[in-house]
Amino acid sequence: GDSVTQMEGPVTLSEEAFLTINCTYTATGYPSLFWYVQYPGEGLQLLLKATKADDKGSNKGFEATYRKETTSFHLEKGSVQVSDSAVYFCALRRGDSWGKLQFGAGTQVVVTP
Amino acid sequence: KAGVTQTPRYLIKTRGQQVTLSCSPISGHRSVSWYQQTPGQGLQFLFEYFSETQRNKGNFPGRFSGRQFSNSRSEMNVSTLELGDSALYLCASSLGGTSGRDEQFFGPGTRLTVL
Repeated sequence: GDSVTQMEGPVTLSEEAFLTINCTYTATGYPSLFWYVQYPGEGLQLLLKATKADDKGSNKGFEATYRKETTSFHLEKGSVQVSDSAVYFCALRRGDSWGKLQFGAGTQVVVTP
Repeated sequence: KAGVTQTPRYLIKTRGQQVTLSCSPISGHRSVSWYQQTPGQGLQFLFEYFSETQRNKGNFPGRFSGRQFSNSRSEMNVSTLELGDSALYLCASSLGGTSGRDEQFFGPGTRLTVL
């Protein structure tokens, strides 16, 4: 079945450091890929998405490129802020799975001043 | 445009009871999906409703059920509650397209505690 694997956290960084969160997936066909972010006590917010190979999703300084050959969708940000502290989830969705998102385990990111 | 709303936000029940959670999607969205979030199992898909019909279902026991009304609002019911049902229950709405590309917008969740 489908699966998403993320690097384990917590990832602790200093402000202005470079952030990478690795995400790889297993799925049949050509799924759409998503990154969601969850702040403490809140629901999930869509951060970015990519719907086909070599697409690059970007938002708020975050970027991720859909790599079909390596089945990866790594999240990056060049200079993190304390406000980026949150849990980040990588997810996939196949066209034939209707409204079902398959999530990774989540990676907690802590940014210190 | 109002976001996805879930009620109640917090709920405390005892084992054996049943509970009903409500989700109001974004106006115009016809699909509502439900997820359970726990520290041990992470985010797991429960089911999805589209135009009042269950369109997809995850691997949860029959104690978990749902329905969707003509205005796209959805309810989720859990009967005979167990301690392990303590979780954050999230609902998400989307337009409901079949490509898998349209975005799901999440509500703030209902925190259920079973004692």
